[in-house]
Amino acid sequence: QITLRESGPTLVKRTQTLTLTCSISGFSLSSGGVAVGWFRQPPGKALEWLALIYWDDEKRYSPSLKTRLTITKDTARNQVVLTLTNMDPVDTATYYCAHRNSGYGHWGQGTLVTVSS
Amino acid sequence: QSLLTQPPSVSGAPGQTVTISCTGSSSSIGAGYDVHWYQQLPGTAPKLLIYSNTYSHTNRPSGVPDRFSASKSGTSASLAITGLQAEDEAVYYCHSYDSALSGSEVFGGGTKLTVL
Repeated sequence: QITLRESGPTLVKRTQTLTLTCSISGFSLSSGGVAVGWFRQPPGKALEWLALIYWDDEKRYSPSLKTRLTITKDTARNQVVLTLTNMDPVDTATYYCAHRNSGYGHWGQGTLVTVSS
Repeated sequence: QSLLTQPPSVSGAPGQTVTISCTGSSSSIGAGYDVHWYQQLPGTAPKLLIYSNTYSHTNRPSGVPDRFSASKSGTSASLAITGLQAEDEAVYYCHSYDSALSGSEVFGGGTKLTVL
């Protein structure tokens, strides 16, 4: 059974760096074809794709946030980490990680991050 | 600004059929990339509703009723829901890939389905 769980701070201050961890189980980050993506969703707004990392460490980023985002994986610890620098109140959102195969078939429950000014 | 365009809202009465469109470009849907669809109920994470794989065959994950179907033509894709039920009221997102954006995944802005 594939599960993902996001963890990290619920409140950050403007200009700080956000670090979120996605802890996975039921699959291996080193298995061919596996990928994990990050998303966010501001309250009442649409889903936004942020980044994706593949089993072979290939990485993809949203063009609009590329300069602020970093995605990494720790295969031994079964974790995928997302960092977003220079946080601003507009970055307040629920952040999700999800397992990608054909589409994103398994999602974490999401974690709400609020940015204070 | 989403790179896949969906109508903000659609509605239908129970039992009716509704379709939700998703318009991309020649570098996304028009280039033959897979299109996937998600359903998001209030306060929950998105759920994969329909996915496409090799040769653009569409599939439904286990547990998704066959009232949901998808198609693709040119630079657009569509999600159809037949026999509309109250529980189908949700926001629906389409998802593809865009080769013009350094291999970026692209999502639609979401369509709110209201069951009248």
